[in-house]
Amino acid sequence: AQRVTQPEKLLSVFKGAPVELKCNYSYSGSPELFWYVQYSRQRLQLLLRHISRESIKGFTADLNKGETSFHLKKPFAQEEDSAMYYCALSPANFGNEKLTFGTGTRLTIIP
Amino acid sequence: NAGVMQNPRHLVRRRGQEARLRCSPMKGHSHVYWYRQLPEEGLKFMVYLQKENIIDESGMPKERFSAEFPKEGPSILRIQQVVRGDSAAYFCASSPQGGGVYQPQHFGDGTRLSIL
Repeated sequence: AQRVTQPEKLLSVFKGAPVELKCNYSYSGSPELFWYVQYSRQRLQLLLRHISRESIKGFTADLNKGETSFHLKKPFAQEEDSAMYYCALSPANFGNEKLTFGTGTRLTIIP
Repeated sequence: NAGVMQNPRHLVRRRGQEARLRCSPMKGHSHVYWYRQLPEEGLKFMVYLQKENIIDESGMPKERFSAEFPKEGPSILRIQQVVRGDSAAYFCASSPQGGGVYQPQHFGDGTRLSIL
């Protein structure tokens, strides 16, 4: 069975400070990992995925297979980063990419 | 492209009634996923459909819940004889044909179902 754990329900960070949202997973195979974000009054949208190895809105996430983690990081928080963040996992099994989500972390950036 | 469209946005039912939730995928998308989010929890996978086929329903409760994605028209998630525990937000997501490359899922705004 696959599981995604986001240990922090709430996280408050001052503007300009570094941000790290934690995500740990358990899965027996090689998963695809994602971060989804939901801004206020908007729908859930994909922020980034580990296979792309890209930085979106200043965020990066590195897959650490040894620690089974996929933490989301940004060096300098901005007010517009305030949102709900979900870490998600999909089995690398093309043909059925169902997602397993963590419970989410609400990030609040303090001006 | 209006994105994934779900309706209604809010649905109120009394215990024992039926609830029908509709999802129109993005144009060109042939895969539909349904997820349920209970209060204070993450989204949980329910069912994955392609046109006229249920591919994976491992997350669906065994009774009262059914889903379809007909050749024409939206995907429907149907809950019969609703109970208070069915109160949740139900999200639909769609993606194009995989083709051997992971295609990200695009989500709708969800339907908030409240059971009186």
